Amino acid sequence: NAGVMQNPRHLVRRRGQEARLRCSPMKGHSHVYWYRQLPEEGLKFMVYLQKENIIDESGMPKERFSAEFPKEGPSILRIQQVVRGDSAAYFCASSLRQAYNSPLHFGNGTRLTVT
Amino acid sequence: SQELEQSPQSLIVQEGKNLTINCTSSKTLYGLYWYKQKYGEGLIFLMMLQKGGEEKSHEKITAKLDEKKQQSSLHITASQPSHAGIYLCGADPYYSGGGADGLTFGKGTHLIIQP
Repeated sequence: NAGVMQNPRHLVRRRGQEARLRCSPMKGHSHVYWYRQLPEEGLKFMVYLQKENIIDESGMPKERFSAEFPKEGPSILRIQQVVRGDSAAYFCASSLRQAYNSPLHFGNGTRLTVT
Repeated sequence: SQELEQSPQSLIVQEGKNLTINCTSSKTLYGLYWYKQKYGEGLIFLMMLQKGGEEKSHEKITAKLDEKKQQSSLHITASQPSHAGIYLCGADPYYSGGGADGLTFGKGTHLIIQP
């Protein structure tokens, strides 16, 4: 049973470039969550998606960040025109249904470094 | 929004000793999740608590949710090097008016086990 798969594990981008982070949820899971982790801030919710729908993006910066979870294929977190402040670990989690009463299963994260 | 305070922020314990980590909420908890994160990796689900006074155990780890459902504790008995890592508590926002549909997390407790 494959868990939540994220790739790449490490991503280095120069300022102004685009970063694309991929997440394949656990088999059978249709709910995907993206989190960002910074050393002093802890784990922060960004966006919650179901297949083809963004359910809650209240934690996502208004500009440069977007997320999708298409009918086929992985969920993508896209960061345009990256800045140094975007450097962080980005985690994807999936669940069978909405978080209530259903634990999230996390991937190993993508560590983004912006130079 | 739901605020979760974890204490202590870091903990150094001699191998074989017991320890307790606390998680306190500013609002009533309707679902409390404990996760462990090894450095550089993703989060591993440990336990979920929902009912006031509930207690669950897995191997040498016991988690409790108080009757008022505003505080949870994680207790490790006879600690081992494999227990080292970051322990995070997460709260389910459903019914709590937290806004986002993703779990809200505390900042974590860094646990170091000294041989």
